[in-house]
Amino acid sequence: QKEVEQDPGPLSVPEGAIVSLNCTYSNSAFQYFMWYRQYSRKGPELLMYTYSSGNKEDGRFTAQVDKSSKYISLFIRDSQPSDSATYLCAMSAINNQGGKLIFGQGTELSVKP
Amino acid sequence: GAGVSQTPSNKVTEKGKYVELRCDPISGHTALYWYRQSLGQGPEFLIYFQGTGAADDSGLPNDRFFAVRPEGSVSTLKIQRTERGDSAVYLCASSQSPGRGDTQYFGPGTRLTVL
Repeated sequence: QKEVEQDPGPLSVPEGAIVSLNCTYSNSAFQYFMWYRQYSRKGPELLMYTYSSGNKEDGRFTAQVDKSSKYISLFIRDSQPSDSATYLCAMSAINNQGGKLIFGQGTELSVKP
Repeated sequence: GAGVSQTPSNKVTEKGKYVELRCDPISGHTALYWYRQSLGQGPEFLIYFQGTGAADDSGLPNDRFFAVRPEGSVSTLKIQRTERGDSAVYLCASSQSPGRGDTQYFGPGTRLTVL
């Protein structure tokens, strides 16, 4: 079993829909939680970053972390065709001085006009 | 300013050959990471440098893989006796400090194909 599990999709939604992306994890030492967006043939770019539990909002994006359930989510409101990409969750453990990231498999999202 | 750059963007080689992949981190970033991303998968950690030294090489799959960062900036990932299973996108990332959770900025990757 992988340390981080993410449904690979693909997920297809109409423009304007609310998108919910999720990851589960098994390592209770994870304290740093990130969402990266990756366009085709590009490197991942950081979207959201959360330390420990709680919610964080940035424009149309909201990240949630529930450490008790070992579950993190990313919500995209008013989705746009430009949001079509692969979304990767990533985590880092508090006992890792180097900040090595453990990634989920990635969810491929397509937003149809 | 300039982001992380990687060269070449694509590399096609034959089984058994030696390859070198180069990463230029963001200027001033002391931490540098290599990841490997296979088709349809998330990136997998290979090695992390703090300055010139490899602080964590636990992700290197075997001794055919080696990486250096002699002057604490540019890094080279070296793969000997390439195998078809080495085909993947090799991503480099850098961060300002090695602090836990410090933002890692990724380059566009080098797509390696071993025939």
